[in-house]
Amino acid sequence: GENVEQHPSTLSVQEGDSAVIKCTYSDSASNYFPWYKQELGKGPQLIIDIRSNVGEKKDQRIAVTLNKTAKHFSLHITETQPEDSAVYFCAASEPGGSYIPTFGRGTSLIVHP
Amino acid sequence: DVKVTQSSRYLVKRTGEKVFLECVQDMDHENMFWYRQDPGLGLRLIYFSYDVKMKEKGDIPEGYSVSREKKERFSLILESASTNQTSMYLCASSFRERPQHFGDGTRLSIL
Repeated sequence: GENVEQHPSTLSVQEGDSAVIKCTYSDSASNYFPWYKQELGKGPQLIIDIRSNVGEKKDQRIAVTLNKTAKHFSLHITETQPEDSAVYFCAASEPGGSYIPTFGRGTSLIVHP
Repeated sequence: DVKVTQSSRYLVKRTGEKVFLECVQDMDHENMFWYRQDPGLGLRLIYFSYDVKMKEKGDIPEGYSVSREKKERFSLILESASTNQTSMYLCASSFRERPQHFGDGTRLSIL
């Protein structure tokens, strides 16, 4: 089955800095890569996703890049703000009817004012 | 907006009790999932269902069962609760291959 590794487990930055979270996956058949943000006391929420036919996707301060050859993808957050502090999860899934993603173990991002 | 509602935010039960965690979604999604979340281990899939009365085991089904009698409701059952089942439990739903929508979780403590 699929295996997703996520690094770092904890990331501490100053407000205004950029933050990068990296994930690798093992199954070359995986073609969909969502990123979720989990705020304290809440469930994970989708913030951005990318499919394997695209190398990069941006949404305001958030971007995701995908390198299919190397089987890794990354989340980039620019101009970080304290409200970006949360746990971030990457995931990978193969084509299929039930869409069952395999999640990374999560990155706790702390943005210091 | 999709709403996934878990019936309890916090629950305290005793070892050996039968425990029911309930989840309801309001968007007519076919797929529903139960995960447990533990520090450093991320989200681990317990069971999922892709239709009424259908269920499939996830990665860690031991000690759990599920029930899906109606499309909008997916229940997780701990037949005989044990202390190692103390955890955060997350329910999610999705439509076909669209992304999952999560509830806010139930923090379950087994004493």
